[in-house]
This record gives sequence, structure tokens and C-alpha cells, in this order.
Amino acid sequence: QVLLQESGPGLVKPSETLSLTCTVSGGSLNTYYWSWIRQVPGKGLEWIGFIYYIGNTNYNPSLKSRVTISMDKSRNQFSLNLYSVTDADTAVYYCARHRVGVWATWGQGTRVIVSS
Amino acid sequence: DIAMTQTPLSLPVTLGQPASISCKSDQSLVHRDGNIYLSWLHQRPGQPPRLLIYKVSNRLSGVPDRFSGSGAGTDFTLRISRVEAEDVGIYYCMQATQFPVTFGGGTTVDIK
Repeated sequence: QVLLQESGPGLVKPSETLSLTCTVSGGSLNTYYWSWIRQVPGKGLEWIGFIYYIGNTNYNPSLKSRVTISMDKSRNQFSLNLYSVTDADTAVYYCARHRVGVWATWGQGTRVIVSS
Repeated sequence: DIAMTQTPLSLPVTLGQPASISCKSDQSLVHRDGNIYLSWLHQRPGQPPRLLIYKVSNRLSGVPDRFSGSGAGTDFTLRISRVEAEDVGIYYCMQATQFPVTFGGGTTVDIK
């Protein structure tokens, strides 16, 4: 059974970079798409972007100028960098594994607060 | 971006009774490959979303058969044939036909 676990700082200062890692256990990064999604407290879900196992990326246009998703197959991890954060980036961040149209595996989520 | 609209916002239900949630998209969700990438997710408080239904009507393995999905084009429905206590939470529809992936605003199901 594949498990995903997000990790990273729970507090980030405004204008700095939010960096999160998703560690995959019970499987490898070969095949599948690997996404980041966030949920602002009390609100809905927003897809941030994905990286495909061969390295292609696709980002939400609303965040594209501030996002980079990368992967490290040797560590079985993929990462999110969100630059120049504001308090609007305060959210629970989830990583997920999916194939076309089937978003079956999600991490537990990690809460990130943007505050000075 | 494709906008997804769910109704109702809140759905109080009686245990053992059926429940139904609607999801409408502002564009057709038929992908050029002929598939409709419309999914339903369930989220309990403090938990990540969990996939219930994918491609309109396919139940993920392990999802109880009281959950069913239907629809076509721009109109979709999630039905619970007999609500159980564990079904409370927020239900989201989600489209992955066109990027960016977008989600409905959610429907909160609770017990009357």
C-alpha cells in the first residue's frame, strides 16, 4: 500500500519561500502523476500543480509564477516550492498520487501558516 | 478554468434515508479521449479527502455500494442509497478533464 507523507515548516514568514516535501513509501515515483493541492481553512480545495514521473510539470495558472514542483527519485520524494508567500497562502497542503482521472491516494496534509 | 457548482451547500439527512448531491460544470467535461473525468471525494473533519467515485460512476475499490454516481456532459449526481453515520462530512466534486483541475465548493452532510 502506497503512503504519502508531507513534511516541512509549519510557519513561514511573508515574502519568503514555502518548501514542502512529500515522501512516498510502499512504492516508487516511477509511473503516476504527483500533485500538490491546498485547502484554505474552512474553504475548498485548490489544485497547485503536478509533476509526471518523467519530469513534466503542469501548474495552476493562478500560482504558476510562484510555484516549482520537483522530484528526487533516489529519495522517493517530490517537493513544492511556493515563492513570495502572503497570508493568503496559509492552508493545509496535501500531496497526492494519481493516474488519469483517478485521484486515489492522498497524504494526511500539513498545515502551513504564513505569519511574521 | 472550469467552474464547478454544487448544491445543496448543506444537507441534513436521516439515518437510513437516501441523499443526493448535485454538481454542475460550466463547460462540458467530455475529454477529447471520450472520457469524463468527474470524481467525487469525501472529507471528514481533520482528514484528507478520500476518493469515492471516479469517471462519473466508477466506485473505488472498498467504497460501499450505497454510493453511486451518475451524469453526463455538465450535470452530475452523487447518491447515497441509505445514509450511515460514517457518511457525515463534506463531499466535493472534482473535474480533471481540463487543467487546471477544479473542485466544487463542497456539500456538508450531517445527521438530522
